[in-house]
Amino acid sequence: AQSVTQPDIHITVSEGASLELRCNYSYGATPYLFWYVQSPGQGLQLLLKYFSGDTLVQGIKGFEAEFKRSQSSFNLRKPSVHWSDAAEYFCAVGEGGSYIPTFGRGTSLIVHP
Amino acid sequence: NAGVTQTPKFQVLKTGQSMTLQCAQDMNHNSMYWYRQDPGMGLRLIYYSASEGTTDKGEVPNGYNVSRLNKREFSLRLESAAPSQTSVYFCASSAGTERHQPQHFGDGTRLSIL
Repeated sequence: AQSVTQPDIHITVSEGASLELRCNYSYGATPYLFWYVQSPGQGLQLLLKYFSGDTLVQGIKGFEAEFKRSQSSFNLRKPSVHWSDAAEYFCAVGEGGSYIPTFGRGTSLIVHP
Repeated sequence: NAGVTQTPKFQVLKTGQSMTLQCAQDMNHNSMYWYRQDPGMGLRLIYYSASEGTTDKGEVPNGYNVSRLNKREFSLRLESAAPSQTSVYFCASSAGTERHQPQHFGDGTRLSIL
């Protein structure tokens, strides 16, 4: 079965700084990878997804993620963070067939002014 | 512009009581899901429904039942609530029936069982 690890429980960045959130997965075949964001008191919102093709994926809100098969990683990046990006971020991996994703435990992003 | 609507938003139950969590989506989506979210655990899939009339177990189905009443509605029932079921429950939906990444989530139901 697939699994996903988000090594960082909390990340603190200053507004305007760049951001990289880490995600590592364990799955034998080509995985289907997702990033979601959850603002306080709300449900999750899909930021971006990777199924195949170009390994650099663009998402909403200025986020991007890069699939690196050799490192089993799918890290989320943003060149300049805004205070409104403070939220919980979840990486998820889906396996073949139904592709229903398994979620990581999340990384809490704190943005300092 | 409602998207996915969950009711109630908050509920407190006593151990052994039963309850049904309601979920409705207005996007004509085929697939619907129920997740639970516990601190430090991410989301875990309870049940999902790939289309009207079908339901399947997810990662943590024990103690729950679901009904896909029609294309819009997908309810989650706790027959005999236990403290271990204290959690935040999210309903989600997606358009497709093949690649099931949940696209739209409700705002959650916060359930406490005493």
